[in-house]
Amino acid sequence: DAKTTQPPSMDCAEGRAANLPCNHSTISGNEYVYWYRQIHSQGPQYIIHGLKNNETNEMASLIITEDRKSSTLILPHATLRDTAVYYCIVRVGNAGGTSYGKLTFGQGTILTVHP
Amino acid sequence: DGGITQSPKYLFRKEGQNVTLSCEQNLNHDAMYWYRQDPGQGLRLIYYSQIVNDFQKGDIAEGYSVSREKKESFPLTVTSAQKNPTAFYLCATSWSSGANVLTFGAGSRLTVL
Repeated sequence: DAKTTQPPSMDCAEGRAANLPCNHSTISGNEYVYWYRQIHSQGPQYIIHGLKNNETNEMASLIITEDRKSSTLILPHATLRDTAVYYCIVRVGNAGGTSYGKLTFGQGTILTVHP
Repeated sequence: DGGITQSPKYLFRKEGQNVTLSCEQNLNHDAMYWYRQDPGQGLRLIYYSQIVNDFQKGDIAEGYSVSREKKESFPLTVTSAQKNPTAFYLCATSWSSGANVLTFGAGSRLTVL
């Protein structure tokens, strides 16, 4: 799995867009970018994933650069409930083999949304 | 509502005692996983199961045991052989064992006194 680099922490004002960056310069052509978040003392929650096209769902948007070496998760209108640790994970889609469930959750980015 | 139920949410144990953490799902997912999380750390895979009556060791299986007698259930036993069992334990499921979209339970926090 490709290594990812995220800033350790970010702040955002409530109601504003939160843009969380992730660098994955060694990403391979068949690796997807996945985003999860973990609110304090809860289990991680899947947010979104993509291969090379930008993706949007009800929670967030994912922008992947053309060279796929970095991506940005966008929460369009951050609320206090979006305060969490956000994890960027790069992995082959539907990996199988001996890699079952071995998602590597690193340190992530602590996003704090302020009133 | 479809989801994963972990119980108990908080558990205290004396040294030398075995404890079993429950994980039940009604998502009809084939694969189930147990992760451990220590304060300020990422998640580490303990065990996973692709189908009923089959399970495999993850990265830190020593001192733990599991069973998968039913599709819906994947209990984890923390044995006295686990040297540092105090942690936050998370159960997860996915529709197949290779899928990278996991659904997590709310977790169980085990404290050894």
